[in-house]
Amino acid sequence: DSGVTQTPKHLITATGQRVTLRCSPRSGDLSVYWYQQSLDQGLQFLIQYYNGEERAKGNILERFSAQQFPDLHSELNLSSLELGDSALYFCASSAGDTYNEQFFGPGTRLTVL
Amino acid sequence: SQQGEEDPQALSIQEGENATMNCSYKTSINNLQWYRQNSGRGLVHLILIRSNEREKHSGRLRVTLDTSKKSSSLLITASRAADTASYFCATEGYGNNRLAFGKGNQVVVIP
Repeated sequence: DSGVTQTPKHLITATGQRVTLRCSPRSGDLSVYWYQQSLDQGLQFLIQYYNGEERAKGNILERFSAQQFPDLHSELNLSSLELGDSALYFCASSAGDTYNEQFFGPGTRLTVL
Repeated sequence: SQQGEEDPQALSIQEGENATMNCSYKTSINNLQWYRQNSGRGLVHLILIRSNEREKHSGRLRVTLDTSKKSSSLLITASRAADTASYFCATEGYGNNRLAFGKGNQVVVIP
């Protein structure tokens, strides 16, 4: 158990819908990262927050957004969902801003029908 | 952008044997990390090696890093059936705050 929690574990929804994925980092960690894992793209970095502020952006679509709240939990919002958005979405946390081990949550499996 | 690339992609070994996986990357890195993933579950952090380190050990794991060749290897000694998983290398560059993952190595340890 990494100490990172993600909810829900599974999510099934229809195209065009909007969903919110939630992540709680390990106690004391200030950074939260979001990654997407799909069969064709592999593991891709989406976005990082550090202590409430966006710190780095990766291959995140404009239809996706995230935020980190004062209690350091984070949410990833996915809207106008397409079939191709079906994937495993992982949250990870680390103590600092850079150059630290990242500890991953169990993931949310999103299926878009 | 840099990205780890593991080689070989799939490995099947008998319990007790050693398993070696390689990873190459393209640009300068601050550190390289190895992760294990069991069957679509979360990634488990195994080891982090920094660019100024050449070798690191953790239990039955040995990681080497050759920055001149931009490559790393992960050795699992005396493998067990529980080591069956996918193994990913991931690189972190300077100041870019993200991990770039390779495609992963699938390792099957036969009891």
